[in-house]
Amino acid sequence: EAEVAQSPRYKITEKSQAVAFWCDPISGHATLYWYRQILGQGPELLVQFQDESVVDDSQLPKDRFSAERLKGVDSTLKIQPAELGDSAMYLCASSFAPGSNRDTQYFGPGTRLTVL
Amino acid sequence: ILNVEQSPQSLHVQEGDSTNFTCSFPSSNFYALHWYRWETAKSPKALFVMTLNGDEKKKGRISATLNTKEGYSYLYIKGSQPEDSATYLCAPYTSWNQGGKLIFGQGTELSVKP
Repeated sequence: EAEVAQSPRYKITEKSQAVAFWCDPISGHATLYWYRQILGQGPELLVQFQDESVVDDSQLPKDRFSAERLKGVDSTLKIQPAELGDSAMYLCASSFAPGSNRDTQYFGPGTRLTVL
Repeated sequence: ILNVEQSPQSLHVQEGDSTNFTCSFPSSNFYALHWYRWETAKSPKALFVMTLNGDEKKKGRISATLNTKEGYSYLYIKGSQPEDSATYLCAPYTSWNQGGKLIFGQGTELSVKP
């Protein structure tokens, strides 16, 4: 079964440093999502791509976070500078049929970020 | 924005026990409800997508019901097994920014002891 790949699985960094996460969606999935899950809460959508275009980044803290999907395939999420409050699980997901309320999202295993 | 509540937050049961948990969401502007299962150190996996009031879905020992008029969904596990240990997330689909998105609850963490 095809899966969404993410790397690294774990990242420990000091505050004010830059970090980057990578995601490779399932082949053929045009829609890619980045979520952040803070301990004790549900995943929250940070950014959604349709091919290489951003569809929604309304919840992305744009002063320090950036996301790109240059060729409409894999994607990178960057934080610069990292703050203590950024410690969380960062999940990537992809889906085939955008705009459908029944569209299943397929998740990667996530990157656990710890900011010291 | 939608307020999605799941209860209980955590549940500890013995192998063979049947269990159920609840997902509550605003009933207005309902489109669909997704259930996901997330095992530790693995990827969240889709369980069900439900759209119609009175919908009932089943996969093996796991089933779910949906009440869109009162805004809740129940997830049932019959005869829990240790491999059912996971966090179960519900997520209604809501309209957002000329499109839509999933709003996740905080999850119910299930632990099944052998």
